[in-house]
Amino acid sequence: RKEVEQDPGPFNVPEGATVAFNCTYSNSASQSFFWYRQDCRKEPKLLMSVYSSGNEDGRFTAQLNRASQYISLLIRDSKLSDSATYLCVVNTNAGKSTFGDGTTLTVKP
Amino acid sequence: GAGVSQSPSNKVTEKGKDVELRCDPISGHTALYWYRQRLGQGLEFLIYFQGNSAPDKSGLPSDRFSAERTGESVSTLTIQRTQQEDSAVYLCASSLAFAKGINEQFFGPGTRLTVL
Repeated sequence: RKEVEQDPGPFNVPEGATVAFNCTYSNSASQSFFWYRQDCRKEPKLLMSVYSSGNEDGRFTAQLNRASQYISLLIRDSKLSDSATYLCVVNTNAGKSTFGDGTTLTVKP
Repeated sequence: GAGVSQSPSNKVTEKGKDVELRCDPISGHTALYWYRQRLGQGLEFLIYFQGNSAPDKSGLPSDRFSAERTGESVSTLTIQRTQQEDSAVYLCASSLAFAKGINEQFFGPGTRLTVL
């Protein structure tokens, strides 16, 4: 079993749709959590950190459930420019960083 | 300011040759990470540095892979006797600090390695 697992996707949604991605992690010592976005043949870029209380940034909402070792990302009112691969990232306090394999989102007109 | 830079951007080599990949982190970033990403796959953690110390080398695929870092600056990833399965994009990232919750990673553009 992988340390970080994500919905395999791909997700194909129309513009304006709401879409949610899930991520589970196996290491209970994990301390910090992030969502990154990676466009085709580009490097990953930070989308948002994930805080215990949940956090929102515009159309994006991230949630963390430590008890279930589960992270989610919700995108509301999808735009064409949201099409990308979304990577769940889990860090331990010792600094090891584990990326999920990513979920691919395609937003269509 | 300048972001993370990597060189070369592309490298084509013959099987059995050694290659050296370079990463220049953002100035002041104490933590530096190396990842490998094969085509269509996720990021595979290789190694990270805190300063010039590498606390976790468990991700290095074999003893053909090694990495070093000078102080809190440049890092090199060396692959000896390259094999075709080493073909991938090698990504470097740096972060400001190593403390919990303060380790947003900034990625370089990667080095695309092709082993013929």
